[in-house]
Amino acid sequence: DTAVSQTPKYLVTQMGNDKSIKCEQNLGHDTMYWYKQDSKKFLKIMFSYNNKELIINETVPNRFSPKSPDKAHLNLHINSLELGDSAVYFCASSQGLGPPEKLFFGSGTQLSVL
Amino acid sequence: RKEVEQDPGPFNVPEGATVAFNCTYSNSASQSFFWYRQDCRKEPKLLMSVYSSGNEDGRFTAQLNRASQYISLLIRDSKLSDSATYLCVASPYNTDKLIFGTGTRLQVFP
Repeated sequence: DTAVSQTPKYLVTQMGNDKSIKCEQNLGHDTMYWYKQDSKKFLKIMFSYNNKELIINETVPNRFSPKSPDKAHLNLHINSLELGDSAVYFCASSQGLGPPEKLFFGSGTQLSVL
Repeated sequence: RKEVEQDPGPFNVPEGATVAFNCTYSNSASQSFFWYRQDCRKEPKLLMSVYSSGNEDGRFTAQLNRASQYISLLIRDSKLSDSATYLCVASPYNTDKLIFGTGTRLQVFP
Protein backbone atom coordinates (compact mmCIF):
# COMPACT_ATOMS: atom_id res chain seq x y z
CA ASP A 1 0.00 0.00 0.00
CA THR A 2 1.25 3.45 -0.90
CA ALA A 3 2.07 5.45 2.24
CA VAL A 4 1.38 8.93 0.84
CA SER A 5 -0.82 8.97 -2.22
CA GLN A 6 -1.84 11.98 -4.24
CA THR A 7 -4.12 12.33 -7.24
CA PRO A 8 -4.07 13.10 -10.03
CA LYS A 9 -0.54 12.32 -11.18
CA TYR A 10 -0.87 14.65 -14.15
CA LEU A 11 -3.10 17.68 -14.52
CA VAL A 12 -3.28 19.71 -17.71
CA THR A 13 -5.62 22.67 -17.71
CA GLN A 14 -6.29 26.10 -19.15
CA MET A 15 -5.46 29.40 -17.50
CA GLY A 16 -8.25 30.68 -15.32
CA ASN A 17 -9.59 27.26 -14.37
CA ASP A 18 -9.98 25.98 -10.81
CA LYS A 19 -8.49 22.60 -9.91
CA SER A 20 -7.88 20.42 -6.87
CA ILE A 21 -5.20 17.93 -5.91
CA LYS A 22 -5.96 15.34 -3.26
CA CYS A 23 -3.57 13.76 -0.79
CA GLU A 24 -3.99 10.96 1.70
CA GLN A 25 -1.52 9.25 4.03
CA ASN A 26 -1.98 5.93 5.80
CA LEU A 27 1.06 6.22 8.07
CA GLY A 28 -0.82 7.63 11.04
CA HIS A 29 1.26 10.82 10.86
CA ASP A 30 0.10 14.02 12.50
CA THR A 31 1.60 16.53 10.09
CA MET A 32 1.06 16.95 6.37
CA TYR A 33 2.60 19.36 3.88
CA TRP A 34 2.35 20.73 0.39
CA TYR A 35 5.58 21.47 -1.47
CA LYS A 36 6.02 23.00 -4.91
CA GLN A 37 8.94 22.05 -7.18
CA ASP A 38 9.43 24.46 -10.05
CA SER A 39 11.15 23.96 -13.38
CA LYS A 40 14.52 24.72 -11.79
CA LYS A 41 13.90 21.84 -9.36
CA PHE A 42 13.64 24.20 -6.40
CA LEU A 43 11.48 22.46 -3.78
CA LYS A 44 9.71 24.96 -1.56
CA ILE A 45 7.22 24.47 1.24
CA MET A 46 3.78 25.98 0.77
CA PHE A 47 1.71 24.79 3.74
CA SER A 48 1.79 22.42 6.65
CA TYR A 49 -1.04 21.14 8.81
CA ASN A 50 -0.85 19.36 12.13
CA ASN A 51 -3.98 17.49 13.15
CA LYS A 52 -6.09 19.59 10.78
CA GLU A 53 -4.63 22.84 12.09
CA LEU A 54 -2.67 25.17 9.80
CA ILE A 55 0.92 25.50 11.05
CA ILE A 56 2.92 26.91 8.14
CA ASN A 57 1.55 29.21 5.50
CA GLU A 58 4.36 30.51 3.35
CA THR A 59 3.97 33.48 1.06
CA VAL A 60 1.60 31.76 -1.30
CA PRO A 61 -1.10 33.56 -3.33
CA ASN A 62 -4.49 33.21 -1.71
CA ARG A 63 -5.65 31.48 -4.88
CA PHE A 64 -4.15 28.42 -3.18
CA SER A 65 -6.33 27.05 -0.41
CA PRO A 66 -5.42 23.90 1.49
CA LYS A 67 -8.10 21.92 3.25
CA SER A 68 -7.60 19.20 5.82
CA PRO A 69 -10.83 17.34 6.64
CA ASP A 70 -8.92 15.00 8.96
CA LYS A 71 -5.30 14.36 9.82
CA ALA A 72 -4.93 11.75 7.09
CA HIS A 73 -5.97 14.07 4.29
CA LEU A 74 -4.68 17.36 2.98
CA ASN A 75 -6.12 18.63 -0.27
CA LEU A 76 -5.01 21.62 -2.30
CA HIS A 77 -7.45 23.74 -4.24
CA ILE A 78 -6.17 26.29 -6.73
CA ASN A 79 -8.39 29.02 -8.14
CA SER A 80 -7.86 31.00 -11.33
CA LEU A 81 -4.82 29.05 -12.44
CA GLU A 82 -1.93 31.01 -13.98
CA LEU A 83 0.92 29.96 -16.25
CA GLY A 84 3.36 30.37 -13.37
CA ASP A 85 1.52 27.75 -11.36
CA SER A 86 2.93 25.07 -13.66
CA ALA A 87 5.13 22.88 -11.46
CA VAL A 88 5.21 19.55 -9.67
CA TYR A 89 3.28 19.62 -6.40
CA PHE A 90 4.33 17.16 -3.72
CA CYS A 91 2.31 16.20 -0.70
CA ALA A 92 4.28 14.92 2.29
CA SER A 93 3.75 13.77 5.84
CA SER A 94 5.79 13.39 9.01
CA GLN A 95 5.30 12.15 12.52
CA GLY A 96 4.70 14.63 15.31
CA LEU A 97 5.12 18.38 15.42
CA GLY A 98 8.31 20.34 15.02
CA PRO A 99 11.15 19.93 12.54
CA PRO A 100 10.44 16.63 10.84
CA GLU A 101 13.09 13.97 11.20
CA LYS A 102 11.87 12.38 8.02
CA LEU A 103 9.44 13.51 5.36
CA PHE A 104 7.49 10.93 3.39
CA PHE A 105 6.57 12.34 0.00
CA GLY A 106 3.82 11.39 -2.39
CA SER A 107 4.78 10.73 -5.99
CA GLY A 108 3.87 14.24 -7.09
CA THR A 109 1.29 15.91 -9.31
CA GLN A 110 2.64 17.48 -12.48
CA LEU A 111 0.48 20.52 -13.15
CA SER A 112 0.67 22.13 -16.59
CA VAL A 113 -1.26 25.34 -17.15
CA LEU A 114 -1.73 26.24 -20.81
CA ARG B 1 21.19 34.55 -1.53
CA LYS B 2 19.47 31.17 -1.30
CA GLU B 3 19.19 29.72 2.19
CA VAL B 4 20.70 26.43 1.05
CA GLU B 5 23.06 26.41 -1.92
CA GLN B 6 24.45 23.52 -3.88
CA ASP B 7 26.48 23.09 -7.04
CA PRO B 8 23.89 21.80 -9.53
CA GLY B 9 26.44 19.64 -11.35
CA PRO B 10 26.13 17.34 -13.14
CA PHE B 11 28.92 15.31 -11.66
CA ASN B 12 29.78 12.59 -14.16
CA VAL B 13 31.84 9.83 -12.54
CA PRO B 14 32.77 6.26 -13.50
CA GLU B 15 31.57 3.30 -11.50
CA GLY B 16 33.75 2.71 -8.49
CA ALA B 17 34.77 6.34 -8.12
CA THR B 18 34.49 8.39 -4.96
CA VAL B 19 32.53 11.61 -5.28
CA ALA B 20 31.82 14.38 -2.80
CA PHE B 21 29.19 17.10 -2.76
CA ASN B 22 29.17 20.20 -0.62
CA CYS B 23 26.30 22.37 0.39
CA THR B 24 26.28 25.69 2.24
CA TYR B 25 23.52 27.14 4.39
CA SER B 26 23.05 30.79 5.26
CA ASN B 27 21.06 30.58 8.50
CA SER B 28 23.55 30.01 11.31
CA ALA B 29 20.66 29.03 13.59
CA SER B 30 19.89 25.96 11.51
CA GLN B 31 19.67 22.93 13.73
CA SER B 32 18.94 19.87 11.66
CA PHE B 33 20.44 18.76 8.40
CA PHE B 34 19.65 16.00 5.95
CA TRP B 35 20.49 14.62 2.55
CA TYR B 36 17.58 13.54 0.37
CA ARG B 37 17.82 11.69 -2.91
CA GLN B 38 15.51 12.37 -5.84
CA ASP B 39 15.42 10.15 -8.90
CA CYS B 40 14.26 11.62 -12.20
CA ARG B 41 10.51 12.31 -12.16
CA LYS B 42 10.16 10.78 -8.70
CA GLU B 43 9.62 12.07 -5.20
CA PRO B 44 12.50 12.93 -2.83
CA LYS B 45 13.42 10.28 -0.27
CA LEU B 46 15.50 10.64 2.86
CA LEU B 47 19.03 9.35 2.30
CA MET B 48 20.49 10.20 5.69
CA SER B 49 20.44 12.69 8.52
CA VAL B 50 23.60 14.69 9.19
CA TYR B 51 24.84 14.75 12.77
CA SER B 52 27.35 17.11 14.31
CA SER B 53 29.81 14.29 14.81
CA GLY B 54 29.44 13.11 11.24
CA ASN B 55 27.84 9.83 10.32
CA GLU B 56 28.30 6.97 7.93
CA ASP B 57 25.84 4.61 6.31
CA GLY B 58 27.53 2.01 4.16
CA ARG B 59 29.19 3.78 1.25
CA PHE B 60 27.75 7.16 2.28
CA THR B 61 29.36 9.58 4.73
CA ALA B 62 27.83 12.87 5.79
CA GLN B 63 29.67 15.63 7.63
CA LEU B 64 28.65 18.93 9.14
CA ASN B 65 30.92 21.93 9.59
CA ARG B 66 29.04 24.49 11.68
CA ALA B 67 31.85 27.03 11.72
CA SER B 68 31.88 27.25 7.93
CA GLN B 69 28.17 26.46 7.60
CA TYR B 70 28.52 23.63 5.16
CA ILE B 71 27.44 20.03 4.87
CA SER B 72 29.08 17.39 2.76
CA LEU B 73 28.13 14.02 1.34
CA LEU B 74 30.77 11.53 0.28
CA ILE B 75 29.87 8.51 -1.83
CA ARG B 76 32.47 5.77 -2.11
CA ASP B 77 32.56 3.02 -4.73
CA SER B 78 29.86 4.68 -6.86
CA LYS B 79 27.24 2.41 -8.43
CA LEU B 80 25.17 3.05 -11.52
CA SER B 81 22.14 3.07 -9.23
CA ASP B 82 23.56 6.07 -7.36
CA SER B 83 22.69 8.24 -10.36
CA ALA B 84 20.17 10.75 -9.02
CA THR B 85 19.85 14.29 -7.70
CA TYR B 86 21.01 14.78 -4.12
CA LEU B 87 19.17 17.45 -2.17
CA CYS B 88 20.77 19.15 0.80
CA VAL B 89 18.27 20.14 3.49
CA ALA B 90 18.48 22.40 6.53
CA SER B 91 15.94 23.13 9.21
CA PRO B 92 16.15 26.54 10.91
CA TYR B 93 15.94 26.59 14.69
CA ASN B 94 12.47 26.68 16.18
CA THR B 95 10.59 26.16 12.93
CA ASP B 96 8.88 23.20 11.39
CA LYS B 97 10.28 23.96 7.98
CA LEU B 98 12.75 22.04 5.92
CA ILE B 99 14.66 24.24 3.48
CA PHE B 100 15.76 22.33 0.41
CA GLY B 101 18.67 23.12 -1.86
CA THR B 102 18.11 22.80 -5.60
CA GLY B 103 20.12 19.61 -5.68
CA THR B 104 23.31 18.26 -7.17
CA ARG B 105 22.92 15.87 -10.05
CA LEU B 106 25.12 12.78 -10.10
CA GLN B 107 25.53 10.59 -13.17
CA VAL B 108 27.54 7.39 -12.73
CA PHE B 109 28.65 5.79 -15.99
CA PRO B 110 29.92 2.24 -16.67
